[in-house]
Amino acid sequence: QVQLVQSGAEVKKPGASVKVSCKASGYTFTSYYMHWVRQAPGQGLEWMGIINPSGGSTSYAQKFQGRVTMTRDTSTSTVYMELSSLRSEDTAVYYCASSVDTAMDFDYWGQGTLVTVSS
Amino acid sequence: QSALTQPASVSGSPGQSITISCTGTSSDVGGYKYVSWYQQHPGKAPKLMIYDVSNRPSGVSNRFSGSKSGNTASLTISGLQAEDEADYYCSSYTSSSTRNWVFGGGTKLTVL
Repeated sequence: QVQLVQSGAEVKKPGASVKVSCKASGYTFTSYYMHWVRQAPGQGLEWMGIINPSGGSTSYAQKFQGRVTMTRDTSTSTVYMELSSLRSEDTAVYYCASSVDTAMDFDYWGQGTLVTVSS
Repeated sequence: QSALTQPASVSGSPGQSITISCTGTSSDVGGYKYVSWYQQHPGKAPKLMIYDVSNRPSGVSNRFSGSKSGNTASLTISGLQAEDEADYYCSSYTSSSTRNWVFGGGTKLTVL
């Protein structure tokens, strides 16, 4: 069965960077795109970007351009999302989500990773 | 501000039906069949309930249905059950230059 397992919670200071991982299993990793979505406390969902695990190409929401980098390691079926220049407003749960059974929707989700930015 | 507009809250009694709307533009909801709906219980990851406007993933109850008219998509839940109480989000692919996918602000469903 498809599983996305994310790394654990992080606490960072303003200005620092955070790198969250998402390990996929149960399907052919390089065949399906992976998205990153975040959710601030008590707020809605926000799409951050997408990575093609096959070639590594990415597309980021303009809001995060210059601060976010999505990469992948095909040897471990893992995607990474690194966010730099953290500020308090980046405190959120970060999710990876794939489109395995559907072409353009988020059908499998990781469990989420809480990133807290605090001085 | 979210790109797609949803009501903040809806409510219904067990057994009743409710509908949640999701209004966008011709650049997203109105322009593509890639509208989806997600259910999220507190502290949990979202779960896909409807994809491509009206398709249900395997395992999702047929009490959930989706539709679209123009720039507005809708999620209908019939035969409300206590377990349906959750937050619901719509999403759409978009031709916007600032992002490829957008979400609605979310709707809190209360089962009375």
